[in-house]
Amino acid sequence: QKEVEQDPGPLSVPEGAIVSLNCTYSNSAFQYFMWYRQYSRKGPELLMYTYSSGNKEDGRFTAQVDKSSKYISLFIRDSQPSDSATYLCAMSNNYGQNFVFGPGTRLSVLP
Amino acid sequence: DSGVTQTPKHLITATGQRVTLRCSPRSGDLSVYWYQQSLDQGLQFLIQYYNGEERAKGNILERFSAQQFPDLHSELNLSSLELGDSALYFCASSVATLTSGQRDTQYFGPGTRLTVL
Repeated sequence: QKEVEQDPGPLSVPEGAIVSLNCTYSNSAFQYFMWYRQYSRKGPELLMYTYSSGNKEDGRFTAQVDKSSKYISLFIRDSQPSDSATYLCAMSNNYGQNFVFGPGTRLSVLP
Repeated sequence: DSGVTQTPKHLITATGQRVTLRCSPRSGDLSVYWYQQSLDQGLQFLIQYYNGEERAKGNILERFSAQQFPDLHSELNLSSLELGDSALYFCASSVATLTSGQRDTQYFGPGTRLTVL
């Protein structure tokens, strides 16, 4: 079993749809949870950062962490074609150590 | 712009050669990470340096080495290059202090695209 699992997609949705992206993990020591967006051939860009369990909202993006289920989600409301990218979840236990990325989910938002 | 810079942007070389990739972290960040991303593959963690010292090692080949200098910039050296080494190489930086409760995350550079012919 991989340490972090993520559905690779591709996921295609119409413009305006609500998108749900998910990751599961196995290491209960993870405390910090992040979502990155990566456009083709570009460096990953940090979208959301969450410490421990709970929800965090930033504009059209909402990150949820359920540590009891070892499950994290990223919701994108009113999706736009510019949201088309690969979304990577990442997590770490402390202070930049044991930093693990999921394989990424490729999202296409169709106009 | 993440504040992390990488040079060169593109590198084309031949098998058996040696190349050096350079990374300058964000101002104030002490830790540098190197990742390899092959076509349609996920990010593979190679190595981490913290304030000049190696902190963690991932799936880094013996042909690869890295170092972090006193000014905190880092170099990744790839030698005896093979066709399979063609990939995007990303550098990321983070604060990575040991202060309790310090939030930490990684910021990525634009990457160096290495092509081995």
